[in-house]
Amino acid sequence: KAGVTQTPRYLIKTRGQQVTLSCSPISGHRSVSWYQQTPGQGLQFLFEYFSETQRNKGNFPGRFSGRQFSNSRSEMNVSTLELGDSALYLCASSLPQGTTNEKLFFGSGTQLSVL
Amino acid sequence: GDSVTQMEGPVTLSEEAFLTINCTYTATGYPSLFWYVQYPGEGLQLLLKATKADDKGSNKGFEATYRKETTSFHLEKGSVQVSDSAVYFCALSDINDYKLSFGAGTTVTVRA
Repeated sequence: KAGVTQTPRYLIKTRGQQVTLSCSPISGHRSVSWYQQTPGQGLQFLFEYFSETQRNKGNFPGRFSGRQFSNSRSEMNVSTLELGDSALYLCASSLPQGTTNEKLFFGSGTQLSVL
Repeated sequence: GDSVTQMEGPVTLSEEAFLTINCTYTATGYPSLFWYVQYPGEGLQLLLKATKADDKGSNKGFEATYRKETTSFHLEKGSVQVSDSAVYFCALSDINDYKLSFGAGTTVTVRA
């Protein structure tokens, strides 16, 4: 069974640009979450989707947005990039029940560098 | 809000040494507790979990017990191997919160 797939693996952008990251969950998983990982702030929750509905959102500015498609694939978008957005963005999926007691399966992440 | 505090690293050990990483939490409800591990260049993997007080999670020789009275979930392993070198994250989740709150992570290096 294929794991969580995130594309692209690496991305370099300049300030002011926008970026879209993609996540394909494990087949059958309907919950997808996104996390930002930085050396200074650690792992911070961005948002979670289940059946195309956002159920929770972290404390990030409105420049960070996401969506989930009917096939459970998810994208997150960051507009007007800032230097501080440089981070590893991790996607995770979980089983159909979608409760957080379920085991989260993480992808390898997209490393975003903003110059 | 919910938060997790874990032992600062880095931790460097010799093979077969005893490992303990302290983790304490603050939560308004009755959270589930987790330890995740991140190997170099990889995403996080669930190592073990406990969903209620006094539960013990265990996997690959690692153990952690959910202690409600001390709000703790310390990770232990009796004899570490070089392959245990990784970053370890303590995390919690409240039911229907749909998110994990992570500690800062502890880098463990095991030397042969």
